[in-house]
Amino acid sequence: AQSVTQPDIHITVSEGASLELRCNYSYGATPYLFWYVQSPGQGLQLLLKYFSGDTLVQGIKGFEAEFKRSQSSFNLRKPSVHWSDAAEYFCAVGDNFNKFYFGSGTKLNVKP
Amino acid sequence: DVKVTQSSRYLVKRTGEKVFLECVQDMDHENMFWYRQDPGLGLRLIYFSYDVKMKEKGDIPEGYSVSREKKERFSLILESASTNQTSMYLCAESPTSASTEAFFGQGTRLTVV
Repeated sequence: AQSVTQPDIHITVSEGASLELRCNYSYGATPYLFWYVQSPGQGLQLLLKYFSGDTLVQGIKGFEAEFKRSQSSFNLRKPSVHWSDAAEYFCAVGDNFNKFYFGSGTKLNVKP
Repeated sequence: DVKVTQSSRYLVKRTGEKVFLECVQDMDHENMFWYRQDPGLGLRLIYFSYDVKMKEKGDIPEGYSVSREKKERFSLILESASTNQTSMYLCAESPTSASTEAFFGQGTRLTVV
């Protein structure tokens, strides 16, 4: 069965520091992978997605993610975090029927 | 821009009431979803619809039903609301073809008292 694990529930980083949010998935076929961000009281906004090809994908707001098949991972990175990046981040996997399975989320706090 | 509209941002209902959560999309896409979001549990799929009048149970369908009479509208029904259904409910939609993302509404915060 498909599943997504985000091992970090909360992360705090200082503004300007680099960020890496971890995501591991379980899926039998080629995965379609996504990162979404949710600001307080809002719906989910797509940051980036991976379907095939280059394993390093660029997204909005300066985020990138790297697909590593051997590690079943799709970690999200940003070289320099801004205070406005404080939010909750969700990793998701989509199957061939376009159903989506989400991780439990990682809440990012940004220290001034 | 894709628009997914949930009829209410906040709802307060009493235990035992029948509750309707409505979702409308404007993209003529086939797939629509209802998720429930709880702290520490992420998003859990309640029901999925891949066409008008077609539905499939998700991971946590107990206590819920759905209705899709028109392509653009997908309703979530709590037959008899209970306090453990207090949660954030998110509607989403996507095209049928794989390798496309889901688009989400703003969410409905339901409180059952």
